[in-house]
Amino acid sequence: KQEVTQIPAALSVPEGENLVLNCSFTDSAIYNLQWFRQDPGKGLTSLLLIQSSQREQTSGRLNASLDKSSGRSTLYIAASQPGDSATYLCAVTQGGSEKLVFGKGTKLTVNP
Amino acid sequence: GAVVSQHPSWVICKSGTSVKIECRSLDFQATTMFWYRQFPKQSLMLMATSNEGSKATYEQGVEKDKFLINHASLTLSTLTVTSAHPEDSSFYICSAPPGGLSEQFFGPGTRLTVL
Repeated sequence: KQEVTQIPAALSVPEGENLVLNCSFTDSAIYNLQWFRQDPGKGLTSLLLIQSSQREQTSGRLNASLDKSSGRSTLYIAASQPGDSATYLCAVTQGGSEKLVFGKGTKLTVNP
Repeated sequence: GAVVSQHPSWVICKSGTSVKIECRSLDFQATTMFWYRQFPKQSLMLMATSNEGSKATYEQGVEKDKFLINHASLTLSTLTVTSAHPEDSSFYICSAPPGGLSEQFFGPGTRLTVL
């Protein structure tokens, strides 16, 4: 059974700092990995999708990497801003299924 | 990106009543949609897979007679919580992949409170 773990559970940083969020999964036979952002009481916003054949994806100040063989992904946020404060979730799909298995998320607070 | 809507965004009901939640894909067709629930400070747990034109597939431990799912068209799936009780109070979110094993897009969620 696939399990997804995110470390740390919470992170507080000053504005402008670069930071890394970690995601690990137990079964390396994934099809893709997706990073989401969730604001309190809201739905999920898709940030980046990495296919299993890819090593990284970039969007603006965000960069996600994938090391499928070791079962790890990182989300790098450059020059953090208070507006980046949210919970960040990673999720994976297994081959042949569209079901997402989620981690518990990392709650990020960026202080002005 | 693709847009998924949910209605209502929040609902308060009395114990014993039924509540229907709609999930719509606004600019794409979705043969499959997914329903999740999220308790406070917890991650999303998949409840069921909604399949257009056929029965939904429920995850282990989810009562199919309590959480009725209907996927009547390629753009609409509904989740009905029957005979709701306070323990059903939660945040319900749907998602849909536009096609194939691709990026999934989520609705804004529905906050259900059962008194």
